[in-house]
Formats: sequence, C-alpha cells, structure tokens
Amino acid sequence: EDQVTQSPEALRLQEGESSSLNCSYTVSGLRGLFWYRQDPGKGPEFLFTLYSAGEEKEKERLKATLTKKESFLHITAPKPEDSATYLCAVQPLRSNTGKLIFGQGTTLQVKP
Amino acid sequence: DAGITQSPRYKITETGRQVTLMCHQTWSHSYMFWYRQDLGHGLRLIYYSAAADITDKGEVPDGYVVSRSKTENFPLTLESATRSQTSVYFCASSGGATEQYFGPGTRLTVT
Repeated sequence: EDQVTQSPEALRLQEGESSSLNCSYTVSGLRGLFWYRQDPGKGPEFLFTLYSAGEEKEKERLKATLTKKESFLHITAPKPEDSATYLCAVQPLRSNTGKLIFGQGTTLQVKP
Repeated sequence: DAGITQSPRYKITETGRQVTLMCHQTWSHSYMFWYRQDLGHGLRLIYYSAAADITDKGEVPDGYVVSRSKTENFPLTLESATRSQTSVYFCASSGGATEQYFGPGTRLTVT
C-alpha cells in the first residue's frame, strides 16, 4: 500500500536554528514527490517537485532533497515567517491522473 | 483575477440538507480535485476529474457527488449532509500529472 509518513509531527525552533523535516514514503514506483506549505486557514501552497533520487531544489531558506526512500526539507536559519505546516505528497508512477498521496504534515513554529 | 477560487468560504448547514461547494479555476487546467482535511487524517481525496465530463472516485467518495460540465468549474455536492462531513474542503487543479494548485478552502459545519 502506498504510504507517506512525515516526522516530526511538530517542531519548535529558535530563529536562526537550522533543522530538517523528514518525509518517508512507500510507493510502487515514484513519479514525483511534492512539498507544500500551508498557513492556518489557507490552502496548501506549492513549493517543490522532486523526480529522482539525488535531486535537490532550493528556494530562499528551504532546500528539498530526495533519496529512494525519503525526502528532507532543510530549513536554514529560519525566521518566524517560516512558521507553517509543511506537507509532503507522492505521486505513484502508475498514476497518470495527477493523484497525490499526502502525509499528515509537520507543523513548524519558529520563535523570535 | 487568475487562479482558483472556492465558494462559499464558510458554511453552516443542518443534517440532511443538500449543500454544494463551488470551485472555479482560470488556468484551463485539465485536472481538478476535491479533498477534505481533518485533524488526524490529513488531506484525503474525495473525487477528481481529468477533463470535462470525466470524473472518478478518490479515497473517500461516499456521500458526495461531483459534476464537470465546463473545464473551469468542478462543484462538489453533499446530497444529505451528515455530521461526519464537517470538515475543511479544498479544491485543486493541475495541468497534468504535475503539481496541484489549491484553492483557499471551504470550512463546512454540519449541525
């Protein structure tokens, strides 16, 4: 069964304290792995797509990496405005309809 | 404005009533999706559509009906609302087997 597990469920950091969020996945062939950011009361906002092991994508203080079993979202020197829930999703290779399987998210709080 | 919109943003309804949630996108994306988001369950796919007049069930379709007569619209109808359908509903669209773009959500409460 296709599955996505994110850890930790919640993470509290001090401003400037770098860390990583984990997304472990089990899927019979990976078409793509997606990271989203969700602020309270809003819809998920697309961040990155990763397609193959070894691939990396960066945006400001965020860097996403991918291996054959997991993805990491590295946050370097976070600021309070990085506080949000970060969602990971996978798209199985067999899915040609764009269907995504989401993890339950990691809620990040960055304190000034 | 371009993008994806949902209406209403908030809705309170009674058990047994029919309610329709609207979704509209201006990108002419082929694919559209409906999710519900609940604490402890994350985002779960209700229905999706690959094109106008083509729809299919997702993970949790029971109690919901969809239609797609026009590419840009994808309404979700709860035929007889139940308390278990209290949730936040998100609509999304994509141009293909690529990233999805989400609307702002509809918070639905069934009393």
